[in-house]
Amino acid sequence: EVQLVESGGGLVQPGRSLKLSCAASGFTFSNYYMAWVRQAPKKGLEWVATISTSGSRTYYPDSVKGRFTISRDNAKSSLYLQMNSLKSEDTATYYCARHPDRWWYFDFWGPGTMVTVSS
Amino acid sequence: DIQMTQSPASLSASLGETVTIECLASEDIYSNLAWYQQKPGKSPQLLIYYANSLNDGVPSRFSGSGSGTQYSLKINSLQSEDVSIYFCQQNYDSPWTFGGGTKLELK
Repeated sequence: EVQLVESGGGLVQPGRSLKLSCAASGFTFSNYYMAWVRQAPKKGLEWVATISTSGSRTYYPDSVKGRFTISRDNAKSSLYLQMNSLKSEDTATYYCARHPDRWWYFDFWGPGTMVTVSS
Repeated sequence: DIQMTQSPASLSASLGETVTIECLASEDIYSNLAWYQQKPGKSPQLLIYYANSLNDGVPSRFSGSGSGTQYSLKINSLQSEDVSIYFCQQNYDSPWTFGGGTKLELK
């Protein structure tokens, strides 16, 4: 059974940093592109970052480019999101998600971890 | 960026009814369209990919159709467990973008 479990969320002040983690199990992690998708409270979904199987290629929307960094450790079946210079508009539930076979939709999602950016 | 516009924003229907949710892309996305279901307090789950392909384990009362810029999700014989928010997502061009969601409630 595919499982994705995020951790690392919490309350952080504007301008500070936070690192999220996602532990994957139930599939060969190194074979899949992985992503982060966020959802602000009572709002829609926003794709945040994607990383290739080896980690050599990363993709971001303009809203987070230069502030967020996605990375992975295939030996540990883990995905990460380093978030710097956080803003109030980054407040959201962050989901770890899997891309199936180089397609750009998401076939499995974790339960999410909440990040609140507030002073 | 490709804009995805969903309609309606909310929908109320009775058990057993057929409902349709629409998704309009700002440009041709060549059927690279996925639909997700998000039940209250849960993460999204993939229903349909490539506009009309049903994901494993999804009941056959769900179906997707469309092409070009216009797509739809149809739910036949509405069940109580279908109460959710439904999102479309284009996966044709980065940044991958979602529709604003359709909240489906029981009448």
